[in-house]
Amino acid sequence: EDQVTQSPEALRLQEGESSSLNCSYTVSGLRGLFWYRQDPGKGPEFLFTLYSAGEEKEKERLKATLTKKESFLHITAPKPEDSATYLCAAHNYGQNFVFGPGTRLSVLP
Amino acid sequence: ETGVTQTPRHLVMGMTNKKSLKCEQHLGHNAMYWYKQSAKKPLELMFVYSLEERVENNSVPSRFSPECPNSSHLFLHLHTLQPEDSALYLCASSQDTTSYEQYFGPGTRLTVT
Repeated sequence: EDQVTQSPEALRLQEGESSSLNCSYTVSGLRGLFWYRQDPGKGPEFLFTLYSAGEEKEKERLKATLTKKESFLHITAPKPEDSATYLCAAHNYGQNFVFGPGTRLSVLP
Repeated sequence: ETGVTQTPRHLVMGMTNKKSLKCEQHLGHNAMYWYKQSAKKPLELMFVYSLEERVENNSVPSRFSPECPNSSHLFLHLHTLQPEDSALYLCASSQDTTSYEQYFGPGTRLTVT
């Protein structure tokens, strides 16, 4: 069964303290791995799509990387406005989207 | 209005009621989606529509009935729901079903009493 897990469940950082969020996936034929950000009371906001192992994408303080079993979202020198829940999801060749439970990030000033 | 809008934002209904959720996208997209987001559970894809045709139904109970009258509008008709159906229902759209860049609406917070 296709599965996506994320760790940690919650993460508290001081402003400027870099860290990484992990997404582990087990899917039968990965077509794409993507990251979303969700603020309280809002729908998820698209961040990145990764298609193959070794691929990296960056946006401001965020960088997403992909291996054959995991994806990492690296946050460099985070700011309080980066506080949100970060969702990882995988799309397989069966046309199914499988989401992880998310990592709740809090960045303290 | 821009992006993806959903109405109502909050809904409380009894188990015997019939209600509908509405989603509208102003992005010119051809694919639309319904998701369910429950507390402590991952986002679950319910239905996918491409050019008004349903292309995916992820084993969703028949008490949830989707309708897509055109590429800009999507409805989710609800009847005889259970308390465990209480959740945030999110609508999303994308250029087509091969695009991973989905734009989500703010969701409808549903409570079934």
